[in-house]
Amino acid sequence: QKEVEQDPGPLSVPEGAIVSLNCTYSNSAFQYFMWYRQYSRKGPELLMYTYSSGNKEDGRFTAQVDKSSKYISLFIRDSQPSDSATYLCAMIAGGYNKLIFGAGTRLAVHP
Amino acid sequence: GAVVSQHPSWVICKSGTSVKIECRSLDFQATTMFWYRQFPKQSLMLMATSNEGSKATYEQGVEKDKFLINHASLTLSTLTVTSAHPEDSSFYICSPRGRPNTGELFFGEGSRLTVL
Repeated sequence: QKEVEQDPGPLSVPEGAIVSLNCTYSNSAFQYFMWYRQYSRKGPELLMYTYSSGNKEDGRFTAQVDKSSKYISLFIRDSQPSDSATYLCAMIAGGYNKLIFGAGTRLAVHP
Repeated sequence: GAVVSQHPSWVICKSGTSVKIECRSLDFQATTMFWYRQFPKQSLMLMATSNEGSKATYEQGVEKDKFLINHASLTLSTLTVTSAHPEDSSFYICSPRGRPNTGELFFGEGSRLTVL
């Protein structure tokens, strides 16, 4: 079993839709949770960073962490074609432990 | 977020040659550098972790003699792919971490290596 599970998609939605991206994990030691957006042939770009359970909102993006269920989500409201990218969840146990990535979900938002 | 400069962004080389990729953290001191490799449509795979002034720690299955990492300063780390072969063609990405450690990790723009 992988430490972090993420559906690779692809996920195709119409412009304006609400997108829900999810990851589950098995290591209860994970403390920091991140979502990255990666455009083709570019490095990952940090979108959201959360530490505790609950919701964190930033513009059209909302990150949700449920440590009791070992489940994290990223919601994108009013999705735009420019949101088309691969979204990677990542988590770390803290200190200088290595970052563990999900497989990434490819999202396509069509006009 | 942190500013990370990585170059070259794209390099093509002949089989058997060596290629050096540089990663610079421009606005903070990187005490630790992570080097990742990403194959098409796959996630990032950690190759090695280096601490400034120390030898790198390589992940299982990564040849340390093939992928030479130098982290001689707090702002610069290099990855050298020695005697490159076509199977080394990949997207290489660096990620520096500094002090204080907030858990956030930022990445370079990546370097796409194509070995002919």
